[in-house]
Amino acid sequence: GAGVSQSPRYKVAKRGQDVALRCDPISGHVSLFWYQQALGQGPEFLTYFQNEAQLDKSGLPSDRFFAERPEGSVSTLKIQRTQQEDSAVYLCASSLNRDREGYGYTFGSGTRLTVV
Amino acid sequence: AQSVTQLDSQVPVFEEAPVELRCNYSSSVSVYLFWYVQYPNQGLQLLLKYLSGSTLVESINGFEAEFNKSQTSFHLRKPSVHISDTAEYFCAVTRYSSASKIIFGSGTRLSIRP
Repeated sequence: GAGVSQSPRYKVAKRGQDVALRCDPISGHVSLFWYQQALGQGPEFLTYFQNEAQLDKSGLPSDRFFAERPEGSVSTLKIQRTQQEDSAVYLCASSLNRDREGYGYTFGSGTRLTVV
Repeated sequence: AQSVTQLDSQVPVFEEAPVELRCNYSSSVSVYLFWYVQYPNQGLQLLLKYLSGSTLVESINGFEAEFNKSQTSFHLRKPSVHISDTAEYFCAVTRYSSASKIIFGSGTRLSIRP
């Protein structure tokens, strides 16, 4: 597609429920990032993929968070046993690569997760 | 590690007035700097970026930012704002490196009054 697509757009989960958030990056984009944006805050880095390899997962807040990109295109962010503090907008971004002109990140519109 | 500080959480201005959104960064290594804009209910969009060369960078809609290494600042300015500029603006930094994450500031909400 023309942009980064995220689904669902909104998700309401009961505390303790598992959720899966999907990101469809721009076709051919090598790099994929996940960010978490709490209300009134800037996006916080979660994890980074280059193709199917997860090169940096230092931002994942706990072992309840897990991300994968098995074929180097679509990525899924999974949150197990959701807690109220997980409520946030989860943003996905993709980039063709980090070249000299670089950093042409394209962000999706995000998934707003509300844990009740 | 890198960090970004946006001192103003909200900036109200009148339409056609000038505006400056402040951004300061901290880093022990050379960095790239960005401004992103987030319109209501939309994703982040890159507004402008500083990678190298001229310290003054411009966007297509009249914003500009100047990289000041001595003051570690990258303030965003526009000489005359329009209602359509109402949005949240995020300053961001990343270090020279492959596979390096972008660090965002907490954002500045720009509200334009008619």
